[in-house]
Amino acid sequence: AQKVTQAQTEISVVEKEDVTLDCVYETRDTTYYLFWYKQPPSGELVFLIRRNSFDEQNEISGRYSWNFQKSTSSFNFTITASQVVDSAVYFCALSEGYSGAGSYQLTFGKGTKLSVIP
Amino acid sequence: EPEVTQTPSHQVTQMGQEVILRCVPISNHLYFYWYRQILGQKVEFLVSFYNNEISEKSEIFDDQFSVERPDGSNFTLKIRSTKLEDSAMYFCASSARASGSNSYEQYFGPGTRLTVT
Repeated sequence: AQKVTQAQTEISVVEKEDVTLDCVYETRDTTYYLFWYKQPPSGELVFLIRRNSFDEQNEISGRYSWNFQKSTSSFNFTITASQVVDSAVYFCALSEGYSGAGSYQLTFGKGTKLSVIP
Repeated sequence: EPEVTQTPSHQVTQMGQEVILRCVPISNHLYFYWYRQILGQKVEFLVSFYNNEISEKSEIFDDQFSVERPDGSNFTLKIRSTKLEDSAMYFCASSARASGSNSYEQYFGPGTRLTVT
């Protein structure tokens, strides 16, 4: 069975600091997909990134970067020069490869609440 | 930009009543999902729907729950006899094949907050 662990429940940083959110996953599949979603105080879930298990290249998007390491089953998310608008709950999620059932259900971690203090 | 919409944004109902939560997925998407999030907890998968039938469902999705795509646009979740523990945020999501990949990125609606009293 698949599992996602986000050990950090809450993190507080001062604006402009860098912060890394940890995500560790478990799966028996060799093909799987990893995601990060942002949930701001308004409650919606905002898709940030998808990563395929066969592509370990790290990715950078503006102030966001993601470090995927299959050797440690981790998919960590770093925000550089954090801003108050980054305050949200961040969820890491895992979807296993095509099962023949025709869907890709997401298994979420419990989330990390990030508070950026001005 | 296309988005998933959900109505109502907040539903209050009494225990034992039936509720229907409505979703309009992104128009060219093929897969539809319901998830729920009990306050302060993680998001949990309920059910997926493809080609007019349920693809997968979780243990949470018992006989009290049903889903339907009554027309070409709406996707509904019905809870027949609500319980206090059904109080949660319910998210609808839809997905279609991402270009150049076998992965299906799921785009979520804003959610319906269900309160059972």
